[in-house]
Amino acid sequence: RKEVEQDPGPFNVPEGATVAFNCTYSNSASQSFFWYRQDCRKEPKLLMSVYSSGNEDGRFTAQLNRASQYISLLIRDSKLSDSATYLCVVRSDQAGTALIFGKGTTLSVSS
Amino acid sequence: DGGITQSPKYLFRKEGQNVTLSCEQNLNHDAMYWYRQDPGQGLRLIYYSQIVNDFQKGDIAEGYSVSREKKESFPLTVTSAQKNPTAFYLCASSPDRGFGYTFGSGTRLTVV
Repeated sequence: RKEVEQDPGPFNVPEGATVAFNCTYSNSASQSFFWYRQDCRKEPKLLMSVYSSGNEDGRFTAQLNRASQYISLLIRDSKLSDSATYLCVVRSDQAGTALIFGKGTTLSVSS
Repeated sequence: DGGITQSPKYLFRKEGQNVTLSCEQNLNHDAMYWYRQDPGQGLRLIYYSQIVNDFQKGDIAEGYSVSREKKESFPLTVTSAQKNPTAFYLCASSPDRGFGYTFGSGTRLTVV
């Protein structure tokens, strides 16, 4: 079983749609959780950290379910500029401070 | 502005050559990392360093070497022992546990 699993997509949605990405992780000792965004041929950039209580940043909402080892990202009112690959990322203390990346979910928003 | 700089942006290597990828940060971060990304694949950890003069192997360290003589610098050498080095190489840094990374803009290495 891979450490961090994501549905690769692609998700093709119209502008204004709401889209949700899911991610599962295998190591119950994982301590920190993030969503990163990666544009084509660019470096990943931190989108948001994910907290147990859930957190929201504008149109983006992240949720964490430790019991199910499940992380989600919800994007409301999708914009063309949201088109990118979204990476689910976890950190386990057993791997020092290194982050473990999922392969990413590709989103394409069309007009 | 603080940031992390990778150079060169593109690099071409002949079979059998060693090449070194540069990574410099002025964020005063303790930890630095090297990842490799292949098309359609996730990022895979090559090496990481949590403090000067110390570094640890990641999941795919074979054929690579690193040094951490200064806090600001974490160069990666791709040796001739790395059989399939063509990839996108990303350097990152972070201040401490629990924090996300700041990435450099990456180096695309191609074997010719």
